[in-house]
Amino acid sequence: ILNVEQSPQSLHVQEGDSTNFTCSFPSSNFYALHWYRWETAKSPEALFVMTLNGDEKKKGRISATLNTKEGYSYLYIKGSQPEDSATYLCAFIGGATNKLIFGTGTLLAVQP
Amino acid sequence: DAGVTQSPTHLIKTRGQHVTLRCSPISGHKSVSWYQQVLGQGPQFIFQYYEKEERGRGNFPDRFSARQFPNYSSELNVNALLLGDSALYLCASSSLGSGNQPQHFGDGTRLSIL
Repeated sequence: ILNVEQSPQSLHVQEGDSTNFTCSFPSSNFYALHWYRWETAKSPEALFVMTLNGDEKKKGRISATLNTKEGYSYLYIKGSQPEDSATYLCAFIGGATNKLIFGTGTLLAVQP
Repeated sequence: DAGVTQSPTHLIKTRGQHVTLRCSPISGHKSVSWYQQVLGQGPQFIFQYYEKEERGRGNFPDRFSARQFPNYSSELNVNALLLGDSALYLCASSSLGSGNQPQHFGDGTRLSIL
């Protein structure tokens, strides 16, 4: 059974704080790692798709790194804003399947 | 351009009934995937269809079935509904269905079983 774990489960920060969360996934048979942002009452929105070990991606104040050999990815948010409040989901794809295996997400609440 | 659209938004059914959920992908996208999300968990993969053929199936019983039409829209069918089928059902599309492409999600159908 493939397991994708995210930590922490939830996080409360003040506006302006920088924060990061972790996604752990199986280190064997890696194909891709996805990050999604899911705001309440909206649909999940793709942030990054990462495929290469050592990959770093950036979108505005949000960035992500990938280590496929040890099976983890970090998502960083610099200078959190209230509009960053959402659940951040990572999803792993292994081998030749097209099946996204999601973690349970990290719920971020940014207080103004 | 319209995003992924799902219908209905909400649905209430009773145990034993069947349900059909619908999804229209982004124009030009040939792959549709279905996910079930229950409270406190991440979305669980149910099916993927590409060019009207099933490309992947998750660990769901045979009560769950799906199909994709020539216009790439898709239906998810669930028979003999159980209380545990209460969940948010998400549809996602991508152009080629490969794992290195982001998936574009709809707003979901909230299914409640009484």
